[in-house]
Amino acid sequence: DAGITQSPRHKVTETGTPVTLRCHQTENHRYMYWYRQDPGHGLRLIHYSYGVKDTDKGEVSDGYSVSRSKTEDFLLTLESATSSQTSVYFCAISETGNTEAFFGQGTRLTVV
Amino acid sequence: AQSVTQLGSHVSVSEGALVLLRCNYSSSVPPYLFWYVQYPNQGLQLLLKYTSAATLVKGINGFEAEFKKSETSFHLTKPSAHMSDAAEYFCAVRRGGATNKLIFGTGTLLAVQP
Repeated sequence: DAGITQSPRHKVTETGTPVTLRCHQTENHRYMYWYRQDPGHGLRLIHYSYGVKDTDKGEVSDGYSVSRSKTEDFLLTLESATSSQTSVYFCAISETGNTEAFFGQGTRLTVV
Repeated sequence: AQSVTQLGSHVSVSEGALVLLRCNYSSSVPPYLFWYVQYPNQGLQLLLKYTSAATLVKGINGFEAEFKKSETSFHLTKPSAHMSDAAEYFCAVRRGGATNKLIFGTGTLLAVQP
């Protein structure tokens, strides 16, 4: 299995609070991605990174920000959590722009 | 922009029957295409990938997919379904390059009846 660790694995938070999810990889892969998974929507790309300090928006980036200060870590921040951000969040990595992505085990976030 | 359409959010087959899960893509340039499987409460696992070599791609667990440029399709098949194949399957597309996105379809939930 690819060395991808997401933390925390489960979190319950209150509306309006900031939340940061962490993705840590040990594969030294260049690309990292954050997705959210919701029933009926599949996986939707939130943000992705193609190198340290290089990030770009995905399909559903509103309300989310990311940072990548070193190769191994990609942080996803919900500045002010809303109930619509209740979801399962997956981190993925890939070595190049042409190769497959490997996924973490996911973080289940509930905003109450 | 590239996108993926999976026809049929739920597919049910009998054990031993053919599995056919449909995926159509749109991309302005030759794409890289992938099929992933997700078992309950787990992450996604790569089944197979198309990267412009052979058009018929074989993957794990007896699955294969055929890239058909004229139909912009990349359907997933397996000759004989097993109970253990029950899972959700996702088709994904990306366009290679320095900055690119990996875009997923909405998924197909496969049920296998005994």
